[in-house]
Order: sequence, then structure tokens, then C-alpha cells
Amino acid sequence: RKEVEQDPGPFNVPEGATVAFNCTYSNSASQSFFWYRQDCRKEPKLLMSVYSSGNEDGRFTAQLNRASQYISLLIRDSKLSDSATYLCVAMWMDSSYKLIFGSGTRLLVRP
Amino acid sequence: NAGVTQTPKFQVLKTGQSMTLQCAQDMNHEYMSWYRQDPGMGLRLIHYSVGAGITDQGEVPNGYNVSRSTTEDFPLRLLSAAPSQTSVYFCASSPQGARNEQFFGPGTRLTVL
Repeated sequence: RKEVEQDPGPFNVPEGATVAFNCTYSNSASQSFFWYRQDCRKEPKLLMSVYSSGNEDGRFTAQLNRASQYISLLIRDSKLSDSATYLCVAMWMDSSYKLIFGSGTRLLVRP
Repeated sequence: NAGVTQTPKFQVLKTGQSMTLQCAQDMNHEYMSWYRQDPGMGLRLIHYSVGAGITDQGEVPNGYNVSRSTTEDFPLRLLSAAPSQTSVYFCASSPQGARNEQFFGPGTRLTVL
């Protein structure tokens, strides 16, 4: 079982739609969580951190459910420019802090 | 600030050749790391460094060496390239380690024939 699992998609949605991605993690000791965005053939960039109480940044909302060990990303009013791959990341402490990346969920927003 | 820079952007090697992937950052970040990204898999940590003179192994270190003689530079050396090392390699830096935002370089696409 992968340590961080994501549905690879692609999620194909029309402009203006609301879309949600889930990500599950296996290590219950995970301390922090992040969503990164990666455009085709580009480097990942931080989209947002995920806080225990949930957090919102404009059209993007991230939620954490520790009991079920998943995090979610909700995108409202999708734009063409939201088309990208979204990487879920969990961090935990082993001998040092470790970041574990999911393989990503691809989003395609169509006109 | 240029951020994190990587050279080369593309490289083709033959099996058994060695080469060094360069990574530099101008943000004075103490923490630097190398990842590889393969289709269908998440980024996997190869090596990391918490400061000049200090390096440690990540999840997939075999076949790679690193050094950190300065805060700015963190080169990754492939000792004897193998086809299994065909991948996209990303260097990243962060002000305070894995707990903070990672700033990635543009990547190096490596093909080993």
C-alpha cells in the first residue's frame, strides 16, 4: 500500500464547476499536510498547507480528517488555468522529518 | 532572486557513464534536497542536506552521491548510470527543512540508454 494515495484522474470538468480531490495517508503519526500544484513538465509549487481546522484560500478549501486519515482539496468556480496535477503531501517524523508525496491527481478544466 | 536553478535541463547518458546534476539556490536556505519523479509515482527523496557539510540519505539513495560544501550548492552525482535512473530530477530548498514550503528547481530530465 502506498503511504500517500491519490486517484490519478483525470478529472475532466467544465469551467465554473466545483471539483474535489481526496488523498489518504497510511501513517497516523503524520504531522503536517500540504497540497502542491504541478503544471505539465514543470516543477511542483506549494498551493496550500492543510490545517487541522481546515483552511480556505480564495476558491480553494483544504480539509483534514485525522480519524479517517484523509485530506481533501475543493476547488470552486474552476478556471481553465486550474488545469494541472495536484500533489498531496504528508510529513512525519522518523529519524528526521520526511515528506511523502502522492503521485498526483490530474485536473482538466474545459471551456 | 533566481530561486533554485538546475543544470542541465536535459541529459542523455549511456549505461555506465557518470555525471553530476547541478543545483544552486540564492535564498540562503539551509535545507536542500534531491527528488526523482517517475510516472505513476510520487516524488521520492534521494538525499538531503540540513546545512553546509551535512548530508543524509533519503528513501532511494543507491547509485547517487551528494556533497554540500557551500550553503548555495548541492550537486547530485550519478556514479555509474543505469536505465533505472531514467527520471526527472528535482532539487528543492527550504528555510527550515521538511516542515516548510519546498521551493523546487525546474528539473533535469535524464535518459539513460
